[in-house]
Amino acid sequence: AQSVTQPDIHITVSEGASLELRCNYSYGATPYLFWYVQSPGQGLQLLLKYFSGDTLVQGIKGFEAEFKRSQSSFNLRKPSVHWSDAAEYFCAVGAHILTGGGNKLTFGTGTQLKVEL
Amino acid sequence: GAGVSQTPSNKVTEKGKYVELRCDPISGHTALYWYRQSLGQGPEFLIYFQGTGAADDSGLPNDRFFAVRPEGSVSTLKIQRTERGYSAVYLCASSSPCPRQGYNSPLHFGNGTRLTVT
Repeated sequence: AQSVTQPDIHITVSEGASLELRCNYSYGATPYLFWYVQSPGQGLQLLLKYFSGDTLVQGIKGFEAEFKRSQSSFNLRKPSVHWSDAAEYFCAVGAHILTGGGNKLTFGTGTQLKVEL
Repeated sequence: GAGVSQTPSNKVTEKGKYVELRCDPISGHTALYWYRQSLGQGPEFLIYFQGTGAADDSGLPNDRFFAVRPEGSVSTLKIQRTERGYSAVYLCASSSPCPRQGYNSPLHFGNGTRLTVT
């Protein structure tokens, strides 16, 4: 069965500082990997995704993530954090559902990001 | 265009009551998913529809939970004899058809329905 571990429950960074959120996954085949962000009272917004190809993927809002198969990791990074980035971040691994081609995601427990001004 | 719409945004009900949660997916999205997010947790998969049929309902916790999508668009999650432990945010997501084998269409989530069972 697939699983995702986000070892940091809370992270605090100063505005303008760099950010790295950790994500480790367990999956028996080539993983489909995602990062989502959730602001209070809002749904999940997709930041970026990895399916195949280049292991460094660019997303929205200046975020990027690097897939490292040898470490089973897909860490999210941003070179300079803005106060508006404060939110909860979820890493997810997707299994391709055979019937109908759907996409069952398994999420980590999330990392709450706080940005100090 | 419009995103995934979920109603109501909040629902408070008493233990033992029946509730219905509605999801209106993005137009043209054939796949629809229900997830449940408990406090302090990531979303957990409940059920997946491709068109009108439930292709995977392995995440439904018990037979009190049921979902339908009769016309392949709007879906309703139905919960009978609610328990306090069912309090959570219920998220709906939709995705477009996979354009090719091996491609994994991203899920687009609604803002969720916060269910509180008292």
